[in-house]
Amino acid sequence: ILNVEQSPQSLHVQEGDSTNFTCSFPSSNFYALHWYRWETAKSPEALFVMTLNGDEKKKGRISATLNTKEGYSYLYIKGSQPEDSATYLCASYSGGGADGLTFGKGTHLIIQP
Amino acid sequence: DTGVSQDPRHKITKRGQNVTFRCDPISEHNRLYWYRQTLGQGPEFLTYFQNEAQLEKSRLLSDRFSAERPKGSFSTLEIQRTEQGDSAMYLCASSWNRGDTDTQYFGPGTRLTVL
Repeated sequence: ILNVEQSPQSLHVQEGDSTNFTCSFPSSNFYALHWYRWETAKSPEALFVMTLNGDEKKKGRISATLNTKEGYSYLYIKGSQPEDSATYLCASYSGGGADGLTFGKGTHLIIQP
Repeated sequence: DTGVSQDPRHKITKRGQNVTFRCDPISEHNRLYWYRQTLGQGPEFLTYFQNEAQLEKSRLLSDRFSAERPKGSFSTLEIQRTEQGDSAMYLCASSWNRGDTDTQYFGPGTRLTVL
């Protein structure tokens, strides 16, 4: 059973500050790491799919890095804005050949004006 | 908007009743997934379809749960004899091909409350 962990569980950040949080996953049998942003009452929004060790992806003020050898990914948000308030989920490919993603519990980010 | 849609968005039912949820994926996607999220947890995989074939079921999917995708388009998830422990957000997602490396696009979910 794949165990995906995210930290911290919640985070309060002042508007304009930069922040980052962590996703850790078992490095054996790694296929891909997905990041999602989930705002209340909306659909989870796909941010990145990362597959290669050393991958770095960017979307606006949000970027992510991947280390498959040690089993972690960082998500960075530069110059946080109130609209960045959301739960950020990471997910890895389930073991055993299933195509369902195994999610962490998420990091709940609150941007304070 | 051609994203994934789910119906209903909210469902309140009494214990022991049957409920059915519907998911309409993005039209060109051939893979469809169901997940469940309970309070304080991340979404948990339940099952997925490649076209109309159900290819994988999680251990979480007890025999009270059944899912169908009759023509490889929309899907339904039925829960029979609901229990309070079934209260959760039920999410549907679709992807073009491989669920591991292809992006899975999620719908807004159906929130089920069992009284």
